[in-house]
Amino acid sequence: DAGVIQSPRHEVTEMGQEVTLRCKPISGHDYLFWYRQTMMRGLELLIYFNNNVPIDDSGMPEDRFSAKMPNASFSTLKIQPSEPRDSAVYFCASSLRDGFNQPQHFGDGTRLSIL
Amino acid sequence: EDQVTQSPEALRLQEGESSSLNCSYTVSGLRGLFWYRQDPGKGPEFLFTLYSAGEEKEKERLKATLTKKESFLHITAPKPEDSATYLCAVPGGGNKLTFGTGTQLKVEL
Repeated sequence: DAGVIQSPRHEVTEMGQEVTLRCKPISGHDYLFWYRQTMMRGLELLIYFNNNVPIDDSGMPEDRFSAKMPNASFSTLKIQPSEPRDSAVYFCASSLRDGFNQPQHFGDGTRLSIL
Repeated sequence: EDQVTQSPEALRLQEGESSSLNCSYTVSGLRGLFWYRQDPGKGPEFLFTLYSAGEEKEKERLKATLTKKESFLHITAPKPEDSATYLCAVPGGGNKLTFGTGTQLKVEL
């Protein structure tokens, strides 16, 4: 079975540019999560969706960050304009409903470097 | 606010040298605890879910246990391929997970 697919795997861009990260969740999963991982803060939840609807975006650091899920098989996380402090690894994860009994399955992440 | 603390931050073992990793948590109403393994350049990979104090789960050389305040991941006779970062997480409101910062395990020949 195909797991969670993220693209690109690596992104290097200059400060001020728009960055778009993409995620395809596991087919049939109802929940989709976006995380950011840094050495200092570990894994932080940015936003999550249930059935394509954003449920909690309290982890989104600033208005420069936005996320969409236009359908059950695709989501994007956009940063505009990007800043060097946004450099991190961004993970997408998905899970079935009834989350307490179902683990989240992660993609391999996008390593983002903002110069 | 839910909090998860893992110790030690890093652990170096010789092959065959058993040890334990700790995950202590503060959460209002525990509804489960997850263990993940993360290899460099990869996303976290699910290992176990524990739901109640006293529960144990095993997978190969790994055994996870849960008490009311903490969880342990016991590694018996580890091999170099067990080298990874091990993360624990607890579910909060909705489907949100709070992760610890992980224990980086290195197993040497």
